[in-house]
Formats: sequence, C-alpha cells, structure tokens
Amino acid sequence: DSGVTQTPKHLITATGQRVTLRCSPRSGDLSVYWYQQSLDQGLQFLIQYYNGEERAKGNILERFSAQQFPDLHSELNLSSLELGDSALYFCASSYRVGYGYTFGSGTRLTVV
Amino acid sequence: GNSVTQMEGPVTLSEEAFLTINCTYTATGYPSLFWYVQYPGEGLQLLLKATKADDKGSNKGFEATYRKETTSFHLEKGSVQVSDSAVYFCALSERDRDDKIIFGKGTRLHILP
Repeated sequence: DSGVTQTPKHLITATGQRVTLRCSPRSGDLSVYWYQQSLDQGLQFLIQYYNGEERAKGNILERFSAQQFPDLHSELNLSSLELGDSALYFCASSYRVGYGYTFGSGTRLTVV
Repeated sequence: GNSVTQMEGPVTLSEEAFLTINCTYTATGYPSLFWYVQYPGEGLQLLLKATKADDKGSNKGFEATYRKETTSFHLEKGSVQVSDSAVYFCALSERDRDDKIIFGKGTRLHILP
C-alpha cells in the first residue's frame, strides 16, 4: 500500500457519460497530480493541485476537470466520454519538490 | 521543452544477465532524475532517484548515475531476476514551483528463467 488511495479501481461506462475518479493523497502530502496512461500516448500529465489550488495544467481536455477539497482529496471529472478516453488514470501525491511522487494503483476506465 | 528519451523495448534477458536501460534527457536548469517501475496491474513505484550531478541512486540492486555532461541517467543491474520483469520509466522533474514530472515512454523488461 503506497498510501495514495484511488477509487474506483475499475469503471466501465458508455460514450457520452460522465464519471468521477477519486484520489486521497498520502498523509501529509499537499500536492496531487493526475496522469493518464494509454498504450499509444504513454504517461501524460493532466493537472496538478497544491493545497486546494490549481498549480499546473498539462494535456487536459476541456471535457475534463478536477478539484482538490479542503481535506486534500481530489476528484477528476470526465464528461462527454469518448472511446479514446479509455485508459488508466493515476493519481500521485508529493510532499517535497524534487523528491518524486507516490502513485496510487490507478483507475482503469473503459468506455464502450 | 523538457523531455526524456529511453530505449524502446521490449528487452528480453535471461536470469542473472546484466541489464542496462538507456535514458537521456533534455532540460533547462538542474532537474532531479528518477526511475520508476510498474509491475503488471499496479501503479508506478519510485525505484531510485538522483538530485544533482554525479549522484548515484540505488535500490534493490539497481543503480543509475546522474551524468550532466552526457545528460544521461542509465539504469543498470548486475544480475536480473524473473521478478524484475516490469515496465521501467525514466523521468525528470525541474524542481520548480509546480514540480511536474515528465516521463519517458517506458521500457518493458522480460526476464526468462
């Protein structure tokens, strides 16, 4: 157990639907990062939050949004889902700049 | 922009063979460098890191040395085991305000008994 908890582990949904992925960071970590992992694109950085505020944005689609709550857990909302959104979505947290992240075990999203 | 390039896989070796996975990077400033490992069905785990030039990161028999002059961070292990079969990612962080980590595409390693 890495200390970063992601739910659900698996999600199957239809095109056009909306889903919410949840992440609880490791205790004491203020930063949360979201990544998408697909076979053809590798690991793509989506967005980062630090202590409730958005800090950096990567290749995140407009259909996707995220937020970090006062208890530091984060949610990634994916809407108007397309087949191409099928991927593994990872959350990671960190305590200190430059020392690496701790990853959760991911949510596997399948859009049918 | 910043980027990481690592050798394409899959890499297939016999047990007890010597392993090298090449990684080079492009970055402004002085990044931290990492190797992450992903076992089947799991998330990424930090394997080792180095935060400045000439640092050597090591863990579980794996080693990598931060070479600023060649902008490289090659992963090595003297004697691999079947349990080392996984995908290995080289990565960098600029250690700036957002501390975003940029990953290479990953190298799949198969170890044959």
